[in-house]
Amino acid sequence: AQKITQTQPGMFVQEKEAVTLDCTYDTSDQSYGLFWYKQPSSGEMIFLIYQGSYDEQNATEGRYSLNFQKARKSANLVISASQLGDSAMYFCAMLIREYGNKLVFGAGTILRVKS
Amino acid sequence: NAGVTQTPKFRVLKTGQSMTLLCAQDMNHEYMYWYRQDPGMGLRLIHYSVGEGTTAKGEVPDGYNVSRLKKQNFLLGLESAAPSQTSVYFCASRRTSPDEQYFGPGTRLTVT
Repeated sequence: AQKITQTQPGMFVQEKEAVTLDCTYDTSDQSYGLFWYKQPSSGEMIFLIYQGSYDEQNATEGRYSLNFQKARKSANLVISASQLGDSAMYFCAMLIREYGNKLVFGAGTILRVKS
Repeated sequence: NAGVTQTPKFRVLKTGQSMTLLCAQDMNHEYMYWYRQDPGMGLRLIHYSVGEGTTAKGEVPDGYNVSRLKKQNFLLGLESAAPSQTSVYFCASRRTSPDEQYFGPGTRLTVT
C-alpha cells in the first residue's frame, strides 16, 4: 500500500533551535517523489521542499533540508534556526504514479515555536 | 502571476443544495486536481484531469462531478450536498519538471 506515516502529532521547539519532523513512507514503486508542505493557520498549502527517489543528495531549500534515507524509507524534514513564523502544520507527501500522479499525504505534524 | 486561484473562499450550503467550485491556473499546466481536507487527516484526491477535456476519478469521487472544458479551469460540482461533504477543498495544478503541485488557497465548505 502507498502510505505516508507521520508519528508526531505535535512538536515544540525553542526559537533559533533546529527541529526534525519525522516522515516514513511505504511504496513498491521505484520512481517516486517526496514533498513537504507547510500549512499555516490561514489554511494555504505552501510547498517547502522536494526529493526525488533517484536523487543521491539530500534536498535543501534555505533553512529547510530533507534527510532522505532510502533504505529506511524515511524523509525527515529538518528546519534550522526556527522562527516564530514556522509555527504551522507540516505535511509530508509522496507522489505516486497513479491517479494522474497524485500526492498521498500523511496526517501532519503541528509545530509550535516558543520564544 | 496569480498561480492557482479558487472561488469562492467560503460557502455554507443546506443539505440537498448544489454548487460549483471554480479553480483557475495561469501556469499552462496540463494536470489539475481536486483534493479535500478533513480534520486530523491529510488531503485526499477527489478527481483529477490530465488535460483539457479529460477527467478521471480519484480516491473519494462519490457525490462530486468535475469538468475541464478549458485548460486553465477545473470545476468541481456538488449536485446534492450532504453534511459529510463539509470540508476544505483544495485545487492543485502540476508542473512536470521538476515535479511539483501548486495549491490554491482552499475553499471552506459547510453543509448544514
